[in-house]
Amino acid sequence: GAVVSQHPSRVICKSGTSVKIECRSLDFQATTMFWYRQFPKQSLMLMATSNEGSKATYEQGVEKDKFLINHASLTLSTLTVTSAHPEDSSFYICSATGVAGGSYNEQFFGPGTRLTVL
Amino acid sequence: GQQVMQIPQYQHVQEGEDFTTYCNSSTTLSNIQWYKQRPGGHPVFLIQLVKSGEVKKQKRLTFQFGEAKKNSSLHITATQTTDVGTYFCAGRGTYKYIFGTGTRLKVLA
Repeated sequence: GAVVSQHPSRVICKSGTSVKIECRSLDFQATTMFWYRQFPKQSLMLMATSNEGSKATYEQGVEKDKFLINHASLTLSTLTVTSAHPEDSSFYICSATGVAGGSYNEQFFGPGTRLTVL
Repeated sequence: GQQVMQIPQYQHVQEGEDFTTYCNSSTTLSNIQWYKQRPGGHPVFLIQLVKSGEVKKQKRLTFQFGEAKKNSSLHITATQTTDVGTYFCAGRGTYKYIFGTGTRLKVLA
């Protein structure tokens, strides 16, 4: 149990286009989803926290108009990178917490999405 | 803001040797979690520590939470090649977890 999927796993796009990344909890209801960005061989940088049915809470320095987050249901959150630029190229990874049968409030991570902006 | 640092950044050990990574927070934590990320993979939850001075063991892994709840450690006894990966601590402040800088472990057979 406690599986989180992400789609797509890889995406290459042209500068100026928008890209949508989906994060789904497959076998549990995710009350909270987190979006992270991870640069090669570096730590996970929290971008935003998303609770179902409410606006996402963005971390300092993260542009909410550029990284649109929607958490419309207890199993789906989306991150849209609008007007992507090469500096947005990164590994984006989501995680989810909720009633997943675990003993702790652990985060279950998706496999990540590698975004390359040309 | 809250910062969580880990040392060392990298560690190469011979198989069978022990390994320890240390996690230090700039602020007091309500709890701390540890994750392992294999190369090319995503972080996987290992454990959560809540109480001051708490020590938990998982087979060859020993986790400790400091008395002041600002630091933690992960110790692996007799490393194996399957232990390869990056170990992250994640400290919870008020409402969110901040991931540490990570320690990348390589185990030489």
